[in-house]
Amino acid sequence: NAGVMQNPRHLVRRRGQEARLRCSPMKGHSHVYWYRQLPEEGLKFMVYLQKENIIDESGMPKERFSAEFPKEGPSILRIQQVVRGDSAAYFCASSPGSSETQYFGPGTRLLVL
Amino acid sequence: QKEVEQDPGPLSVPEGAIVSLNCTYSNSAFQYFMWYRQYSRKGPELLMYTYSSGNKEDGRFTAQVDKSSKYISLFIRDSQPSDSATYLCAMSAGGGADGLTFGKGTHLIIQP
Repeated sequence: NAGVMQNPRHLVRRRGQEARLRCSPMKGHSHVYWYRQLPEEGLKFMVYLQKENIIDESGMPKERFSAEFPKEGPSILRIQQVVRGDSAAYFCASSPGSSETQYFGPGTRLLVL
Repeated sequence: QKEVEQDPGPLSVPEGAIVSLNCTYSNSAFQYFMWYRQYSRKGPELLMYTYSSGNKEDGRFTAQVDKSSKYISLFIRDSQPSDSATYLCAMSAGGGADGLTFGKGTHLIIQP
């Protein structure tokens, strides 16, 4: 049973470009969560999605960030017009239900030049 | 006051020692408590998951939750060099129906 998959594992963007991060949950999991880990900081919750629905986006920055989890395909975290402060590790987690624990992927490390 | 406080360390102990890792929290709504292990440049790996107060044991690992004191602990017995990693405590009110709130993590070093 494959774990949570994220790609790309490393992403380099110049200021002003767009970054797209993809997450495929574990088989049988329909709940996806995105977290950001800044250097010397803990993991911070960003958004919680189920298929075709955003359940909780209280941790998402109001501008430039968006997330989706379509009926088919992976969940996407999209960052428009990236700035240097967006450089971080972005982790996706999945769970089989709303009251289950979360399993994390390997992360995507975004570097903005 | 941060919601979850965790000493970042580093905590260095000799191989075979018992390790004690701790977190305190301020939000009394938290009911679900987790410990994750994270190796350098890897994703967090779930170690322990507990609900409400009490103890839970799994192999060399024991998790304790004291909700009255808002204090949780992870004990590692017979520590091994391979246990060297960052240990993250995490908690939630909804057990997965909401995002987890993490401590900053404790960097643990087991000396051979």
